Amino acid sequence: DAGVTQTPRHEVAEKGQTIILKCEPVSGHNDLFWYRQTKIQGLELLSYFRSKSLMEDGGAFKDRFKAEMLNSSFSTLKIQPTEPKDSAVYLCASRDRGTGQLYFGEGSKLTVL
Amino acid sequence: QQNVQQSPESLIVPEGARTSLNCTFSDSASQYFWWYRQHSGKAPKALMSIFSNGEKEEGRFTIHLNKASLHFSLHIRDSQPSDSALYLCAVSNTDKVVFGTGTRLQVSP
Repeated sequence: DAGVTQTPRHEVAEKGQTIILKCEPVSGHNDLFWYRQTKIQGLELLSYFRSKSLMEDGGAFKDRFKAEMLNSSFSTLKIQPTEPKDSAVYLCASRDRGTGQLYFGEGSKLTVL
Repeated sequence: QQNVQQSPESLIVPEGARTSLNCTFSDSASQYFWWYRQHSGKAPKALMSIFSNGEKEEGRFTIHLNKASLHFSLHIRDSQPSDSALYLCAVSNTDKVVFGTGTRLQVSP
């Protein structure tokens, strides 16, 4: 079985650019999460989808961060415009509703110059 | 707003030692409690979970949950160098999942 796939694995952007990160969840999983991981803040929830409906839009991240679930097998996270403080690893995870377990992708490491 | 805290932030133990990691949460309605492990540069992976008060053992790993104290913990018996990783606790209801900031464990040979 394929796990969660994230692309790109690494992204370097100039301040002010728009970047789009992509995620393919585990087939059959209906819940999808986007997190940002930094050493200081740990994992911060950006967005949460249940059956393609946006349930959580990450509060403080709303203004420049937009996640979409285009269909049950594909999600994007757009950051517009990027700022140096957005440099982090962005993790996507899907949830097996039967067990509650999250399955994570390898992450997209973003560096904003 | 759920607040999840982990302690200690980091830990160095010798091979063979017993290690204890702690997690506190703020929402007494929380239902599901997980530990995830993340090796350097890799994705977090689920280690163990517990859903009711008490203790659960799987191999060298044991989880304790005390909902009244808003606390759960992970204990590792006979720690191995391969256990060196970032350990993340996670708390959820049927909805969103909130993580702690992690405990970085290093097991020295």
